[in-house]
Amino acid sequence: GAGVSQSPRYKVTKRGQDVTLRCDPISSHATLYWYQQALGQGPEFLTYFNYEAQPDKSGLPSDRFSAERPEGSISTLTIQRTEQRDSAMYRCASSLGRTVQNTGELFFGEGSRLTVL
Amino acid sequence: KNQVEQSPQSLIILEGKNCTLQCNYTVSPFSNLRWYKQDTGRGPVSLTIMTFSENTKSNGRYTATLDADTKQSSLHITASQLSDSASYICVVSAENTGNQFYFGTGTSLTVIP
Repeated sequence: GAGVSQSPRYKVTKRGQDVTLRCDPISSHATLYWYQQALGQGPEFLTYFNYEAQPDKSGLPSDRFSAERPEGSISTLTIQRTEQRDSAMYRCASSLGRTVQNTGELFFGEGSRLTVL
Repeated sequence: KNQVEQSPQSLIILEGKNCTLQCNYTVSPFSNLRWYKQDTGRGPVSLTIMTFSENTKSNGRYTATLDADTKQSSLHITASQLSDSASYICVVSAENTGNQFYFGTGTSLTVIP
C-alpha cells in the first residue's frame, strides 16, 4: 500500500476483554515495529519483525501482549484480558531495510487508540 | 541506560521567529539520530536522519545539528509558520541493540500569529 495502515482507528473495550489491532505496512518493507504511545509521551518500543521473524519482543509489558506477522506482511497485536492501564495509542511503523544502521526512513501509521473502561 | 532527553518540554513562539529544540542522549554505541514532526493526532513524520559523521543536515526551514562527542543534537526552525505547531521527537538508535529506536518525549511547539 501507499502508506502504513492501521485498524481500527479507535477501539473502546471493557476491562477483561481481548482486543486485536492490525497493521498493514508499506509493501515490500522488511521491518515492522509496534509502539505504545501515552498522551504527551514519545512512542515506547513493544516489538518488531523482520519479515515473519520476531527477533525482539522485550518491550511487550506482559504476557498478555502478543504480536504476529505470519506471512511477513500484515501484523496483528493482541492484548488479552485488557486492563485500564493498557489504554494508549498503539502505533505501527515500517521500514524498507532490516536494520537500524541502514538509516532508512521509518514510516508510521495513524495509530489505533485503545480505551479500556 | 540508553536514554533520550529533550528540552524544552514545550515552547510558544510568534510566527516568523526562529527557535531551537535540544536533544541530549546517552545511547551508545551511537548509530543514527532522527528528528520527527508529529502533528496532533497523526503519526510521526521524518524530518532528518543523521549518522555519526554528519554534523549538520537541512530540510527546508529545518536544520539539525549533531555533536557526537557531547551526544547532543539540536533542531533549528527558521521563520516559523503556523503549520510548524506540532511535537518534535528526537529518536536515537544504537549499533548493538537489534532494531530498537530510543524516543525522546518530544518538544511541543506552538506557533502563534
